Amino acid sequence: KNQVEQSPQSLIILEGKNCTLQCNYTVSPFSNLRWYKQDTGRGPVSLTIMTFSENTKSNGRYTATLDADTKQSSLHITASQLSDSASYICVVSARGAAGNKLTFGGGTRVLVKP
Amino acid sequence: KAGVTQTPRYLIKTRGQQVTLSCSPISGHRSVSWYQQTPGQGLQFLFEYFSETQRNKGNFPGRFSGRQFSNSRSEMNVSTLELGDSALYLCASSLWVSSGREETQYFGPGTRLLVL
Repeated sequence: KNQVEQSPQSLIILEGKNCTLQCNYTVSPFSNLRWYKQDTGRGPVSLTIMTFSENTKSNGRYTATLDADTKQSSLHITASQLSDSASYICVVSARGAAGNKLTFGGGTRVLVKP
Repeated sequence: KAGVTQTPRYLIKTRGQQVTLSCSPISGHRSVSWYQQTPGQGLQFLFEYFSETQRNKGNFPGRFSGRQFSNSRSEMNVSTLELGDSALYLCASSLWVSSGREETQYFGPGTRLLVL
């Protein structure tokens, strides 16, 4: 069964500090891995999307890494800002005969305090 | 370019009723997917439509159905509502490219449904 596990479930950090979120998956055959940011009451917004051959991808202060061998990904937030307070969702896409299927992680809720 | 829009934003229904939610994708996007998000289950995939055809379906009962129109706008319908159907229903659109390469999904703000 395809699964995506994220850790920690929640995180509190001080403004200006860095943090790293983890995503482990057991999805196959692997197509790509995405990180989304979801503010409270809003739809998710794509941060990065990585295929099998990509080890790292950045989007501003967000840097995602992918280790396809160990089936792990991380999202690093640098110099956190209050606006980074949100849920971060890891999504893994599996290839299927009828099209790719997405498996969603439970998300990590990040709270940045001043 | 306008983003994905969903209507209504909020909805209150009672058990046994049916509901129809609407989604207008980004102009030029032909793929529309629907998701259910609850605090307990997180985001779960409902179905995906492309060119008026359902291309993918999640593990939801037949009470959940959808369709896509020729202008790519999509609707989803839930019949015989149950308390557990209370959730945020998200629609996402994406380009579709003939190479099969996946494109980024852009989500709408969602419709929050409360079933009493």
